[in-house]
Amino acid sequence: GDSVTQMEGPVTLSEEAFLTINCTYTATGYPSLFWYVQYPGEGLQLLLKATKADDKGSNKGFEATYRKETTSFHLEKGSVQVSDSAVYFCALSKDYGQNFVFGPGTRLSVLP
Amino acid sequence: GAVVSQHPSWVICKSGTSVKIECRSLDFQATTMFWYRQFPKQSLMLMATSNEGSKATYEQGVEKDKFLINHASLTLSTLTVTSAHPEDSSFYICSAEIAGGPYEQYFGPGTRLTVT
Repeated sequence: GDSVTQMEGPVTLSEEAFLTINCTYTATGYPSLFWYVQYPGEGLQLLLKATKADDKGSNKGFEATYRKETTSFHLEKGSVQVSDSAVYFCALSKDYGQNFVFGPGTRLSVLP
Repeated sequence: GAVVSQHPSWVICKSGTSVKIECRSLDFQATTMFWYRQFPKQSLMLMATSNEGSKATYEQGVEKDKFLINHASLTLSTLTVTSAHPEDSSFYICSAEIAGGPYEQYFGPGTRLTVT
């Protein structure tokens, strides 16, 4: 079946460091890919998405490019802030916006 | 906008009892809500899809008689864990889809259930 794999956390970075959280997927067909973020005590929030190969999703300084050849959707940010500390989930959906398959989540801690 | 709440945020119950978890869309109507379960350090797993006014659709392997879902209004879905056992201890998360689209899910903050 379809699956999503993420790098294990926790990831601890200093403020202004470069962030990469790896995400790879296994799926038949052409899924849409998503990154969700969960801040402490809050629900998952959509961070960015891409619906076809080579699309780049971006939001709040975060970027991820849909790479079909490597079945990857790595999340990057050039300079993290303390406020970026959260759990990040990579996910795919073959019925756009429904029937999600989530990765296990990666906890990011950014230290001042 | 598009806020989803869950109540309670944390509940402890004794083995054999039932517990109800509420999921509410606060500022929009949701014809479809989803219930997920998350074990520590694991993915969110979809348990069921809840449609207002009709029976929920359960994923394979989810016991419908144990996890009762009721979507009685356009802003409220409830999950009742019946005859709870310690293995039901988990984090339960709901999401809601805005009636009429766009097809995007808005997630609640989750409910941690501990069965002793």
